[in-house]
Order: sequence, then C-alpha cells, then structure tokens
Amino acid sequence: GQNIDQPTEMTATEGAIVQINCTYQTSGFNGLFWYQQHAGEAPTFLSYNVLDGLEEKGRFSSFLSRSKGYSYLLLKELQMKDSASYLCGPSGGSYIPTFGRGTSLIVHP
Amino acid sequence: EAQVTQNPRYLITVTGKKLTVTCSQNMNHEYMSWYRQDPGLGLRQIYYSMNVEVTDKGDVPEGYKVSRKEKRNFPLILESPSPNQTSLYFCASSLGLGTGNQPQHFGDGTRLSIL
Repeated sequence: GQNIDQPTEMTATEGAIVQINCTYQTSGFNGLFWYQQHAGEAPTFLSYNVLDGLEEKGRFSSFLSRSKGYSYLLLKELQMKDSASYLCGPSGGSYIPTFGRGTSLIVHP
Repeated sequence: EAQVTQNPRYLITVTGKKLTVTCSQNMNHEYMSWYRQDPGLGLRQIYYSMNVEVTDKGDVPEGYKVSRKEKRNFPLILESPSPNQTSLYFCASSLGLGTGNQPQHFGDGTRLSIL
C-alpha cells in the first residue's frame, strides 16, 4: 500500500526558491517520480529518483532518501508559470506510480 | 506524434447507464493505468495493466472494470455509474519492465458527470 504526504499549498515570490517535501511509505519501493500539473491539464513528467541523492535538471532538482522515505522537489528562480500542482509519485512493485494529494504552488509577483 | 488518446473528453450521463471511456496509446508501451482526480483527494489509481491480459486493482477499483485485449488499448468501463463517480479521469502509459522506471505519458483527461 501507499501512504504519501505532501503539503497542500505553498506560496512563493517570483525569483525565489521553494522546496516541496514529500514523505511516503511504499511497499516494494523502487523509485519516485515528480510531476507538474497545471489546472485543467494532464500531469507532465519533471523528474525521477531511484538512488539516494540529488538529481538536477535546470531550474528543478529532486532529492531522495530511501531510508527515510523522503523526497523533495526544489524549484529555483521561480517564474509565474511555475504556479501549478506538484505531484509526488513513489512506485512500488508494479513500477507504476501512485500519487499523493499534490501540492498547489502559487507564485506571486 | 506520440500520444495517449482518451475518448470522450467530456460526458454527462445518468445513473445506471453503462459507459466506456476508451484509452489508446501509439508508443508500444507495456504499462497502462487509469487514475481519477478529485478536489482535495489528488490523483488516485483505479486499475493498472502491465501487459496484455494482465490487469490489477489500484487504490480505488470499486465500481470500475478494465480490459487489456491489445497492447495499445485500455478501456475503462463503468457498468452502473453512480454520482460518486463524477470525476476527472486520466489514462497513462509507460514503457514497461526491463526498461527501469520510465515516466508515464498522460492523456488529456475525461471529465465525467453522473447525474
């Protein structure tokens, strides 16, 4: 089964850095995905972690600690278009992620 | 163009009238899955399939059926829809086992309203 916890909502200022945390308890854990979803649209893939540590991809980075059941998504140099929901999705034995409730990020000028 | 196609995109129907939401992918993906998304509850997995004729229940399978007779198609069937199945539904696909964890490609969503 899955137990995924992330903050419901966060706000930040354009140009700032924000960190979205996610904790999970996943049977047969084998990796963790982060997706971005704008209102009314389909989720789009941001990052994937399978090993402990930080994966950097441009303005977005994702961190994983398997022993702690913890991940975070770091967004730098925030832009208005980064206002969206961010979904944490650990995958277990099926290799198909299940998702938490998502974090709604609001970026203001 | 690589894509996951869901039909219909929108549907308003009545309680008890059987309906099917189709999902088709053109990427030769092995894995396919269905999610529903409701305000405050996030994206919840309904069913998934790891290959043809192989399907498994997700977190919220009650009231739904699926089939995977061919690799490209993974229809979601509501035999007797009820108002609590009013939701936004997403189909997704990914490459499959042996390729490591691969990102899912999502369809554009189907908004169902059951009156």
